[in-house]
Amino acid sequence: RKEVEQDPGPFNVPEGATVAFNCTYSNSASQSFFWYRQDCRKEPKLLMSVYSSGNEDGRFTAQLNRASQYISLLIRDSKLSDSATYLCVPNPPDKLIFGTGTRLQVFP
Amino acid sequence: DAGVIQSPRHEVTEMGQEVTLRCKPISGHNSLFWYRQTMMRGLELLIYFNNNVPIDDSGMPEDRFSAKMPNASFSTLKIQPSEPRDSAVYFCASSPYGGGSGRAGEQFFGPGTRLTVL
Repeated sequence: RKEVEQDPGPFNVPEGATVAFNCTYSNSASQSFFWYRQDCRKEPKLLMSVYSSGNEDGRFTAQLNRASQYISLLIRDSKLSDSATYLCVPNPPDKLIFGTGTRLQVFP
Repeated sequence: DAGVIQSPRHEVTEMGQEVTLRCKPISGHNSLFWYRQTMMRGLELLIYFNNNVPIDDSGMPEDRFSAKMPNASFSTLKIQPSEPRDSAVYFCASSPYGGGSGRAGEQFFGPGTRLTVL
């Protein structure tokens, strides 16, 4: 099993839609999790940190399910500017593992 | 704050040449990370420094790769000799948190160096 698995997409959604991505991880020792977004030909930027069961920041909600070892990212009221690749990053002790990302395309 | 600074932004070189990539982390950050990103393998951690000391270099692909951090404000990644399969985007990132804190995943990335080895 891969250390981090993400559906590569693309997820094509209209503006205003709600979209959710899942990320599964294999290392149960992971205590913290991060979501990054990466625009085409740009660097990754931190979107959200998750240290407990979840986190919410405006239109973005991350939910952690430790029993099933997955973390999800929910985006409500999608904007055109949300079009990007979203990278899931579990953080087991002394390690940081980036997923290959899920591509989101929001259309008008 | 200027953010993480990397140079050069683009590098084109021929196989066998030495390549040196440079990084200036955000002032006050005590952790520095070097990554490589390709379409096939995604983002891979190469090496991680904490307080200028290399902590984990298990991601360095082979002896052709070396990294140094002589002081808190500067790091280099060197490839010697370079090969076409080294072509990738190399990112440097810094964090105010150390690896043991569990918050080292909060990182600020530089714009990257796009390396092409012919």
